[in-house]
Amino acid sequence: GDSVTQMEGPVTLSEEAFLTINCTYTATGYPSLFWYVQYPGEGLQLLLKATKADDKGSNKGFEATYRKETTSFHLEKGSVQVSDSAVYFCALSTPPSGSARQLTFGSGTQLTVLP
Amino acid sequence: EAGVTQSPTHLIKTRGQQVTLRCSPISGHTSVYWYQQALGLGLQFLLWYDEGEERNRGNFPPRFSGRQFPNYSSELNVNALELEDSALYLCASSWGTRGNTIYFGEGSWLTVV
Repeated sequence: GDSVTQMEGPVTLSEEAFLTINCTYTATGYPSLFWYVQYPGEGLQLLLKATKADDKGSNKGFEATYRKETTSFHLEKGSVQVSDSAVYFCALSTPPSGSARQLTFGSGTQLTVLP
Repeated sequence: EAGVTQSPTHLIKTRGQQVTLRCSPISGHTSVYWYQQALGLGLQFLLWYDEGEERNRGNFPPRFSGRQFPNYSSELNVNALELEDSALYLCASSWGTRGNTIYFGEGSWLTVV
């Protein structure tokens, strides 16, 4: 079945540091890939997405490129801020194919940014 | 435009009781999904409804059930609550089965004591 493997956390960085959170996936077919963010005490917010190979999703300074050859979708940001402290989830969605229409999530990576 | 809305935001129930959680999808979205986020267990898929029908179900016992109404809103019911049902229950919606982006609500925090 489909699966997503995320870099283990927690990750602690200083403000303005470079961020990379690794994400690799296993899926049948051609999945869409997503990064969701969960701020303390809140639900999930869509951060960015990519729907086909070599697509780059970007939002709020975060970027991730859909790499089919390495089955990866690593999240990067050049300069993190304290307000980026949250849990980040990588997820995939396989195209509608009968009954399998849902997101498969990674385990989440807790990011803490220190001033 | 309003996002996915859920109610209640927080609730406390006693073991053995029943609970109903409610969700209103984004206007125009016909698919509703329910996820459970229990401490230490990550996000687990519970149920998917589209056009009033249950389309898929995660690996949860039958005491977890739900339904989708003609206006596409949805309820999640949990009977015979157990302590391990304590979790954040997230509802999400998308535009039918072709919409490949799923948007989440803020969630309902359930504590079972």
